[in-house]
Amino acid sequence: GQQLNQSPQSMFIQEGEDVSMNCTSSSIFNTWLWYKQDPGEGPVLLIALYKAGELTSNGRLTAQFGITRKDSFLNISASIPSDVGIYFCAPRSRWAGSYQLTFGKGTKLSVIP
Amino acid sequence: NAGVTQTPKFQVLKTGQSMTLQCAQDMNHEYMSWYRQDPGMGLRLIHYSVGAGITDQGEVPNGYNVSRSTTEDFPLRLLSAAPSQTSVYFCASSYSPGLAMNEQYFGPGTRLTVT
Repeated sequence: GQQLNQSPQSMFIQEGEDVSMNCTSSSIFNTWLWYKQDPGEGPVLLIALYKAGELTSNGRLTAQFGITRKDSFLNISASIPSDVGIYFCAPRSRWAGSYQLTFGKGTKLSVIP
Repeated sequence: NAGVTQTPKFQVLKTGQSMTLQCAQDMNHEYMSWYRQDPGMGLRLIHYSVGAGITDQGEVPNGYNVSRSTTEDFPLRLLSAAPSQTSVYFCASSYSPGLAMNEQYFGPGTRLTVT
């Protein structure tokens, strides 16, 4: 089966610092999604990437879809306390006629004011 | 729109008991799914449905049943709860399962403890 590695597992950063996290896979995907989960809530979609090499921004967040289609990274610039949460990569593959998500194990971000 | 709603928010069961986790969406989405989230494991797909009357198994279906009699509702049944089913359960929905550009919306989760 496909292997999905998300790193780092956790990060402690000072407010104002930039953050970088990534996911790598043994399989090729056509779509990479990044979700954020606040404590006690369900995941919320941050950014969707649909083409290899695509670089997409959403405010202070920037994500890229790797050229090999096996990886993706997410950057957060000038972190603020509300960035705290768990970030998941979720590449999508077509399975039995519909699209399914595979979730990474998450990067837990803590921001020190 | 309420989006995706889940009940209950918390539940404690004894081993062997049965229960149903409820999920409903009011967005007329065709696709609905159930995930479980365990510490350090990310979210894993249990069952999914691409439309009323159609369900299929995901990555970790054992011990769970689902049905989809209406577009709006997708209940998850635990027939005989086991401690290994202690987890946080999320329901999600999206407009169409066959569209690549298609966002999944998640409910707030049900935290289940089996003793």
